[in-house]
Amino acid sequence: QKEVEQDPGPLSVPEGAIVSLNCTYSNSAFQYFMWYRQYSRKGPELLMYTYSSGNKEDGRFTAQVDKSSKYISLFIRDSQPSDSATYLCAMSATGANSKLTFGKGITLSVRP
Amino acid sequence: NAGVMQNPRHLVRRRGQEARLRCSPMKGHSHVYWYRQLPEEGLKFMVYLQKENIIDESGMPKERFSAEFPKEGPSILRIQQVVRGDSAAYFCASSPPYLETQYFGPGTRLLVL
Repeated sequence: QKEVEQDPGPLSVPEGAIVSLNCTYSNSAFQYFMWYRQYSRKGPELLMYTYSSGNKEDGRFTAQVDKSSKYISLFIRDSQPSDSATYLCAMSATGANSKLTFGKGITLSVRP
Repeated sequence: NAGVMQNPRHLVRRRGQEARLRCSPMKGHSHVYWYRQLPEEGLKFMVYLQKENIIDESGMPKERFSAEFPKEGPSILRIQQVVRGDSAAYFCASSPPYLETQYFGPGTRLLVL
């Protein structure tokens, strides 16, 4: 079993839709959770960062962490064509200055 | 403030040659991480370095791969005697001390012929 599993996709939605992206994990030591966005042929860009369980909102993006279920989500409201990219979940156990474990990523396409 | 810089952006090598990938962290960042992204795979951790020290190399292949982050200059990921399976995108990330967030560079895409 992989440490981090992410829905394989790809995912295609119409502009304005609400998008839900999810990851599950098996390592209960993970406490720090991140979502990265990666455009084609570019490096990953940090979108959201969350510590432990709970919700965090930033503009159209909301990150949720449920440690009891080992499940994290990223919601995108009012999706735009510019949101078309690959979304990667990442997590670490010890926080600062430690390696990140990534999901495989899901490619999202938002149709105008 | 310049971001993480990597060079070259693209590198072509023939089997058996050496590949050297360079990473300059963001200003003020003293921690560097290398990750590899194979086709259809997620990012995989390779090594974590601070200046002049390797902190965690648990993701590095045991042979042919090495990394350094000298006191002066960029971090170097070195792959000796490359094979076709080394073809991938190699990303460097950096972070300041005591912060969890890592900032990634644009990557070096290595193609082994």
